[in-house]
Amino acid sequence: EAQVTQNPRYLITVTGKKLTVTCSQNMNHEYMSWYRQDPGLGLRQIYYSMNVEVTDKGDVPEGYKVSRKEKRNFPLILESPSPNQTSLYFCASRGPNTEAFFGQGTRLTVV
Amino acid sequence: EDKVVQSPLSLVVHEGDTVTLNCSYEVTNFRSLLWYKQEKKAPTFLFMLTSSGIEKKSGRLSSILDKKELFSILNITATQTGDSAVYLCAVDTGNQFYFGTGTSLTVIP
Repeated sequence: EAQVTQNPRYLITVTGKKLTVTCSQNMNHEYMSWYRQDPGLGLRQIYYSMNVEVTDKGDVPEGYKVSRKEKRNFPLILESPSPNQTSLYFCASRGPNTEAFFGQGTRLTVV
Repeated sequence: EDKVVQSPLSLVVHEGDTVTLNCSYEVTNFRSLLWYKQEKKAPTFLFMLTSSGIEKKSGRLSSILDKKELFSILNITATQTGDSAVYLCAVDTGNQFYFGTGTSLTVIP
């Protein structure tokens, strides 16, 4: 089954404690991206990757890092999380001329 | 600045009503416009539109794109309570997807 898998689904952490949210897709897509979703603001792109070792900033990259060492994986790293990064995060991938396929989401709370 | 604007922000209708959701956009490099449905979880894909004037249809849902006026509409006929969700519009520019803030639809029995 074609899917995008994110882990964990839920995470509560403390300010400053580094965390990684994993994302994996099994569709051999070159393009992957991360979004955060906040009430009233919709989905905003954090980072995207057009291919292995190629990443670029989206609209809200501050406080986040990504890496793309393999085509299937695109982890999101928060080196020093802060409460304003409390949000619902989605990973997505797409092939050429296809829609974006979304993971199930990670609800992150930073206290 | 690339942007996507959806209207209305929210809508409450009765079962059986027909609704029209609007999406306008301003982007520098348009590739396609997509509609998604979101029910408290990951967005699920509805339509992808690339050409003006060609209606896409799936059951009671249909959508059309106007690339000259830079907007799209999503129609839902004979609404059901299961249509209650947030409907998201997104524009693909090749590098990025720009999403609107969504229209929250509530269908009352």
